[in-house]
Amino acid sequence: EPEVTQTPSHQVTQMGQEVILRCVPISNHLYFYWYRQILGQKVEFLVSFYNNEISEKSEIFDDQFSVERPDGSNFTLKIRSTKLEDSAMYFCASRASGGDEQYFGPGTRLTVT
Amino acid sequence: RKEVEQDPGPFNVPEGATVAFNCTYSNSASQSFFWYRQDCRKEPKLLMSVYSSGNEDGRFTAQLNRASQYISLLIRDSKLSDSATYLCVVRSTGTASKLTFGTGTRLQVTL
Repeated sequence: EPEVTQTPSHQVTQMGQEVILRCVPISNHLYFYWYRQILGQKVEFLVSFYNNEISEKSEIFDDQFSVERPDGSNFTLKIRSTKLEDSAMYFCASRASGGDEQYFGPGTRLTVT
Repeated sequence: RKEVEQDPGPFNVPEGATVAFNCTYSNSASQSFFWYRQDCRKEPKLLMSVYSSGNEDGRFTAQLNRASQYISLLIRDSKLSDSATYLCVVRSTGTASKLTFGTGTRLQVTL
């Protein structure tokens, strides 16, 4: 069964450093998403991406964040200068064209020290 | 009012019990509705979509009442493996539309 994959599973970084979180969506999906979940809190939407551009973003997704689809398979989330409050699980999700359901990757746990 | 509201629980039930979870949503223009399951520190996994006509998948039954903006999930004959957090999720309108999650209801099934 096809699945969304994410790397790394855990990333530890120092405040102010740049991080890139990587995702490989399901191969025939066209809609891509990033969500985050701070420990003990609900899952929150960050950004959606379709046809090589951002479709929608939340107020969390400020200028420190960017997304990219550098090739035909990868979808990345970059945080330029990490803050302590960026510590969370980051989930990538994808959806097929014409489909309704989003499928989530296993997440990257980001710890900012 | 929260966009998606759920009772956080926990619901502690014995194996074999029937348990029901409820959820309300605030945006009447919401398009699609889902229940996801999340195990501790894992990703949300789609359990089932929810339709106005109601739908059933084995021991799980989901119902949607658009007029009341209310979604429910019923689990019959609970198993130990059903222990998890159940997330009520709503999709807004728009082509690449986002999911909005409730805080989840924790279920613990015991022997």
